[in-house]
Amino acid sequence: KAGVTQTPRYLIKTRGQQVTLSCSPISGHRSVSWYQQTPGQGLQFLFEYFSETQRNKGNFPGRFSGRQFSNSRSEMNVSTLELGDSALYLCASSLGGSVLDEQYFGPGTRLTVT
Amino acid sequence: DAKTTQPPSMDCAEGRAANLPCNHSTISGNEYVYWYRQIHSQGPQYIIHGLKNNETNEMASLIITEDRKSSTLILPHATLRDTAVYYCIVRPRSNEKLTFGTGTRLTIIP
Repeated sequence: KAGVTQTPRYLIKTRGQQVTLSCSPISGHRSVSWYQQTPGQGLQFLFEYFSETQRNKGNFPGRFSGRQFSNSRSEMNVSTLELGDSALYLCASSLGGSVLDEQYFGPGTRLTVT
Repeated sequence: DAKTTQPPSMDCAEGRAANLPCNHSTISGNEYVYWYRQIHSQGPQYIIHGLKNNETNEMASLIITEDRKSSTLILPHATLRDTAVYYCIVRPRSNEKLTFGTGTRLTIIP
């Protein structure tokens, strides 16, 4: 079956703009988590959605938000972009029924803020 | 606050077993040990997880010490495609969140 897909794969934005990233989980997976990866901070958890509800949240400012649709697809939005938001944004899906479920990661969206 | 300590880098000869250590001395009883790896330019990939018993799957073996304060991931016959950053993660049973540390950069040498 198809893996996790993320669109777009690459994105260039300027400071102050906002951006929306999309993630389609593996069919049947109901949990979607988002992570930010930068050279300085490594992989950091943003938030997790399960059945259209945010179930977990990391330590990111309110400029970072997300949502999940009834088909489990998820979007992540970053408003008022800053240079430091340049990163690889990864989404991961899992069945979500058990917290022990494996997470399957997509290839990521590389965001560059200029 | 990754709760794990791993060596920053390791080399291993192709065809040999790669043994990647991880210290998690503050692990609590309801926390599992997970291993993921990230090959360059790709998203992380799940490898294996365990609670207290040793585990084996088609990719690797996980050896957890009796006191659960450390573990070792074993890739039995390393290939060049195993070159990646390997992350050891302690994950509470009650939480979906994965907290990644800095990992070990494993280089397989031909």
